[in-house]
Amino acid sequence: AQRVTQPEKLLSVFKGAPVELKCNYSYSGSPELFWYVQYSRQRLQLLLRHISRESIKGFTADLNKGETSFHLKKPFAQEEDSAMYYCALSASGNTGKLIFGQGTTLQVKP
Amino acid sequence: DTGVSQDPRHKITKRGQNVTFRCDPISEHNRLYWYRQTLGQGPEFLTYFQNEAQLEKSRLLSDRFSAERPKGSFSTLEIQRTEQGDSAMYLCAIVGYEQYFGPGTRLTVT
Repeated sequence: AQRVTQPEKLLSVFKGAPVELKCNYSYSGSPELFWYVQYSRQRLQLLLRHISRESIKGFTADLNKGETSFHLKKPFAQEEDSAMYYCALSASGNTGKLIFGQGTTLQVKP
Repeated sequence: DTGVSQDPRHKITKRGQNVTFRCDPISEHNRLYWYRQTLGQGPEFLTYFQNEAQLEKSRLLSDRFSAERPKGSFSTLEIQRTEQGDSAMYLCAIVGYEQYFGPGTRLTVT
């Protein structure tokens, strides 16, 4: 079964501290992994995707197929990073539908 | 330009009533998706269209739900005989470089 697990509902850190939001997936094929972010009162938007291997707003994520993980990391959290973060998987076969985790609320305290 | 509007943004209805939501992509996009998001959960896939053809439906989409995309542009999602369990945010998404989400329609069934 295809599944995405985000074990933490809430992650609270102080400004300037490192951040790691965990994501594990279950899928037997070659998945495409994404991180989506939803700021307060805004729509869900793409933060980054594993195939582009880019850093957006200081965030990076590496796909680890051995551990079936795609953790999101940032070395120094900013207050404006406070938001809801969703990890998502798109299965090969390319219907394009996304399977989302439950989401993690990141709270960055001043 | 990539964008999606959804109407209405909020809908309160009594149990047993029918409701219809609309999704309008700003420009032409072949694929259009519907998701449902309940409180504390990530979005869950409901159905998707390739042009006007509905190609996949989730088991979440009971017989009371129907979706259409008559001309391959806008789409509607209708729920008949609403139940309290239908209360959720209904999201529409289109695929460009990324899966681009609309602001959602929040349905409350009383």
